[in-house]
Amino acid sequence: DGGITQSPKYLFRKEGQNVTLSCEQNLNHDAMYWYRQDPGQGLRLIYYSQIVNDFQKGDIAEGYSVSREKKESFPLTVTSAQKNPTAFYLCASSRERGSGEQFFGPGTRLTVL
Amino acid sequence: QQQVKQSPQSLIVQKGGISIINCAYENTAFDYFPWYQQFPGKGPALLIAIRPDVSEKKEGRFTISFNKSAKQFSLHIMDSQPGDSATYFCAASIAQKLVFGQGTRLTINP
Repeated sequence: DGGITQSPKYLFRKEGQNVTLSCEQNLNHDAMYWYRQDPGQGLRLIYYSQIVNDFQKGDIAEGYSVSREKKESFPLTVTSAQKNPTAFYLCASSRERGSGEQFFGPGTRLTVL
Repeated sequence: QQQVKQSPQSLIVQKGGISIINCAYENTAFDYFPWYQQFPGKGPALLIAIRPDVSEKKEGRFTISFNKSAKQFSLHIMDSQPGDSATYFCAASIAQKLVFGQGTRLTINP
């Protein structure tokens, strides 16, 4: 089955700790994206990558970091610098550069204790 | 200018009725307008999408109406069913990125 997988589904973190969220896709898509979703709000773009070893900041990149060492993988690290990290995190991919058609993973719910 | 404004925030429709969700944008450089459906605890799923050179697109019970001059587009769900109860997001694409509306929580009463 082709698709996007995110792990873990639920993640708990103590304040001051960094945590890494996994995103893997086997769709052979070039572009990958990370979004943050808060209750009652739309999705906000954190980082995106159009090609391996290259990525750009989105609208709310502060306190987050990413890497794109492989086409299939785009992990997101939530650092201790992120002041309000509790949220639902969504990874997406698209098959063409410039394509608006993005496919989403199931999400990771991060809770900071 | 990068915003997409979506209304209403929540909507209750009787089974069999028509659900209508509206979105408006300012930036004429947007070139692709998708709608996503999201169930609680799940990732959004692409429902239907339209390009600005088309005024209407229909897929089953779902129709997008696009008014380029007014910079507005809307989603119509015909014969709404309880299984359509979900949160719906409109979006607009520019420079390889999607800008999302705030979402509409749709409830279909049986």
